[in-house]
Amino acid sequence: EVQLVESGGGLVQPGGSLRLSCAASGFTLSSYWIHWVRQAPGEGLVWVSRINLDGRTTNYADSVKGRFTISRDNAKNTLYLQMNSLKAEDTAVYYCSRDFTGGSDYWGQGTLVTVSS
Amino acid sequence: QSALTQPRSVSGSPGQSVTISCTGTSSDVGGYIYVSWYQQHPGKAPKLVIYDVSKRPSGVPDRFSGSKSGNTASLTISGLQAEDEADYYCCSYADSHTYVFGTGTKVTVL
Repeated sequence: EVQLVESGGGLVQPGGSLRLSCAASGFTLSSYWIHWVRQAPGEGLVWVSRINLDGRTTNYADSVKGRFTISRDNAKNTLYLQMNSLKAEDTAVYYCSRDFTGGSDYWGQGTLVTVSS
Repeated sequence: QSALTQPRSVSGSPGQSVTISCTGTSSDVGGYIYVSWYQQHPGKAPKLVIYDVSKRPSGVPDRFSGSKSGNTASLTISGLQAEDEADYYCCSYADSHTYVFGTGTKVTVL
């Protein structure tokens, strides 16, 4: 069974850092691009970032470029999202998802990040 | 990277059809075949219902169909059922190797 499980969310002060993890199982992680998507409370979905099979190609939304870094460790079946210089507007549930011809066919349950003093 | 425009809400009675529009630009919806649609129930993760404009993943009922004309994509739910009540989001690949989601549409089954 394909599973994606996010972890690492929590409460952080503005300007702080947090690293999210996404543990993959039930499929060969190294064969798929992976996305991070976020959803602020009561709001819509927003694409954040994606990473290619070997981690050498990454793309970011303008709103997080220069502050967030996506990476992967295929040997550990894990994806990461390093978030620095966090702002209140980064408060959201963060989902990782498996790419499927431009869409995402499997999603994790999400992890909540709250940026507040 | 402005969000794609969707109607805030649509509604229909059981058995009826509803169509949700998703309007972008030539830099996203109009320029690529990678348009997908997601269903999201409250408190749950999104679920893929359409990819590549009009393809259905395995297990998604054929009541769900997608299309695109110019800069506007559409999702039609035929034979509306109570379990279809949810939020729906479109998503498109866009220039600069990014993606953009729609603003979301709440579907209400009357």
